[in-house]
Amino acid sequence: GDSVTQMEGPVTLSEEAFLTINCTYTATGYPSLFWYVQYPGEGLQLLLKATKADDKGSNKGFEATYRKETTSFHLEKGSVQVSDSAVYFCALSDKNNNDMRFGAGTRLTVKP
Amino acid sequence: DVKVTQSSRYLVKRTGEKVFLECVQDMDHENMFWYRQDPGLGLRLIYFSYDVKMKEKGDIPEGYSVSREKKERFSLILESASTNQTSMYLCASSLGVAGPLEQYFGPGTRLTVT
Repeated sequence: GDSVTQMEGPVTLSEEAFLTINCTYTATGYPSLFWYVQYPGEGLQLLLKATKADDKGSNKGFEATYRKETTSFHLEKGSVQVSDSAVYFCALSDKNNNDMRFGAGTRLTVKP
Repeated sequence: DVKVTQSSRYLVKRTGEKVFLECVQDMDHENMFWYRQDPGLGLRLIYFSYDVKMKEKGDIPEGYSVSREKKERFSLILESASTNQTSMYLCASSLGVAGPLEQYFGPGTRLTVT
């Protein structure tokens, strides 16, 4: 079945460092891809999405490009802030399956 | 903005009790979902519903049941709570078959079974 694998954490960075969180997927169809963020004590919030190959999703300085040839959707940010500290989830969804598959999550801590 | 609310943020129950977790969404979404979240395991789908009175088993339905009597409300029921059901429970909703696939989440209920 469809699945998502993302890099294990935790990831600790200094403020203004460059962030990459790797995500690869396995799917039989043509899924949409998502990044969600979970701040401490809260539910998941949609951060960005891409619905087809070569689409780039972006929001709040984060971006990710849907790469069909490498089945990847890596999350990047050029300069992280302390307020970006959270758990990040990569996910995919396919209209044929009516549900969403999540990676295990990557905890990011940004230190001042 | 879509709003998904869950009845409790924290619950403590005893082994063997029947537990009800309620979820309400206010955007007329067709699909609703229940997940549990455990460290290192990400989110695992328990049940979902694509219409009133309709339900589908997810990956880990054992020990759980659900109810959807109204479109906006989706309840998760633990028939006889056990300690291995201690977890964070997240409810989500999405527009439906014809719409975008992203899901909107509630704040979660942290359940402890003692």
